Amino acid sequence: GQNIDQPTEMTATEGAIVQINCTYQTSGFNGLFWYQQHAGEAPTFLSYNVLDGLEEKGRFSSFLSRSKGYSYLLLKELQMKDSASYLCAVMDSNYQLIWGAGTKLIIKP
Amino acid sequence: IAGITQAPTSQILAAGRRMTLRCTQDMRHNAMYWYRQDLGLGLRLIHYSNTAGTTGKGEVPDGYSVSRANTDDFPLTLASAVPSQTSVYFCASSLQNTGELFFGEGSRLTVL
Repeated sequence: GQNIDQPTEMTATEGAIVQINCTYQTSGFNGLFWYQQHAGEAPTFLSYNVLDGLEEKGRFSSFLSRSKGYSYLLLKELQMKDSASYLCAVMDSNYQLIWGAGTKLIIKP
Repeated sequence: IAGITQAPTSQILAAGRRMTLRCTQDMRHNAMYWYRQDLGLGLRLIHYSNTAGTTGKGEVPDGYSVSRANTDDFPLTLASAVPSQTSVYFCASSLQNTGELFFGEGSRLTVL
């Protein structure tokens, strides 16, 4: 079956760096996506990886290794507003998104 | 302002009642989706539509129906609501075969 695994919850300190991991097993691969979802709000798109390597976008970076079925989202210079859930999703061979349950990130002062 | 809107934002419904959640987008996206989100679970796809006039079943379609009469609108209907359909429902749209989805603000549905 298809499966996306990511930690349920993580805690980090304001100003620090945090890495949120995601492993996947899917029927085919057409890209890996990260979304941010603040409590009570809709998910919003953060990043997209289809080739191996690191994609950097400001304080956020996303890494992909297709051979390992692994990705991570790296958040630098953490701010209180980064407290949110981070959703990992993989697009399978049918171009359908398979979603992880999300990682709730708690930022402490 | 371009975007995707859902209605109602919140609804309490008696079991057995019929309910339609509305979704409208003005971005001219050809693909639209309905998800439900429950605590501890990932977003689960209920139904989708790749283009006007076509629809498909997702992971959890039972008890739900959709229609796509035009590009902009994608309503979700619960024919006879049951308590297990208590959830937050998100409508989303995208260009076809891309994973950058634009989500509506969500509809919180409680079935008693």
